[in-house]
Amino acid sequence: DIQMTQFPSSLSASVGDRVTLTCRASQSIDSYLNWYQQKPGKPPKLLIYAAFSLQSGVPSRFSGRGSGTDFTLTISSLQPEDFATYYCQQTSTIPLTFGGGTKVEIK
Amino acid sequence: QVQLQESGPGLVKPSETLSLTCTVSGGSISGYYWSWVRQPPGKGLEWIGHIYYNGSANYHPSLKSRVTISLDTSKNQFSLKLISVTAADTAVYYCARVNYAYGVYWYFDHWGRGTLVTVSS
Repeated sequence: DIQMTQFPSSLSASVGDRVTLTCRASQSIDSYLNWYQQKPGKPPKLLIYAAFSLQSGVPSRFSGRGSGTDFTLTISSLQPEDFATYYCQQTSTIPLTFGGGTKVEIK
Repeated sequence: QVQLQESGPGLVKPSETLSLTCTVSGGSISGYYWSWVRQPPGKGLEWIGHIYYNGSANYHPSLKSRVTISLDTSKNQFSLKLISVTAADTAVYYCARVNYAYGVYWYFDHWGRGTLVTVSS
């Protein structure tokens, strides 16, 4: 199985901050990498697919970069509704696997 | 707008079978993969498996001996069966639509609200 490691596991930030989350694959996954946002009691919401493609309806303050093994999700200016847990997911190889998540909390 | 809704028992006894159904509305099952994902309380996401609209399925190797995903195109539904459950199978179970970009990049673009299944006697 391809292991997905996210770091940090949690971070505290303020509204307006620029925040970068990292996801690392245990082997190359090309650009088969998605990012999801999850709020408590809700299903995950797709933000970014294919490493850098913004899902329709997602604010442009979210952006994704990377290929191979190292990927980032950047929120250019953190908004109150962005406090949540973020997961990366690889779809290069079955079994599809998710990272452990990064929880973004209010400072 | 495509919507997915999970249904099934919220409590299953150990060693018995967990059965859930996902009803798809606002769109057809045809042309997509359909997946099940679970999340134990307070933990991360685990992909269980998915099924293509033609009936071809893939499963997580760790669950393959216990899981079956099937679909009923006439009802626009797909289902999950997990046999011989234990407390470790207690989780919120989500169904999701698998879309794909450029023909190869899969992503989960529509999700059900999730249903908590507790395994307990």
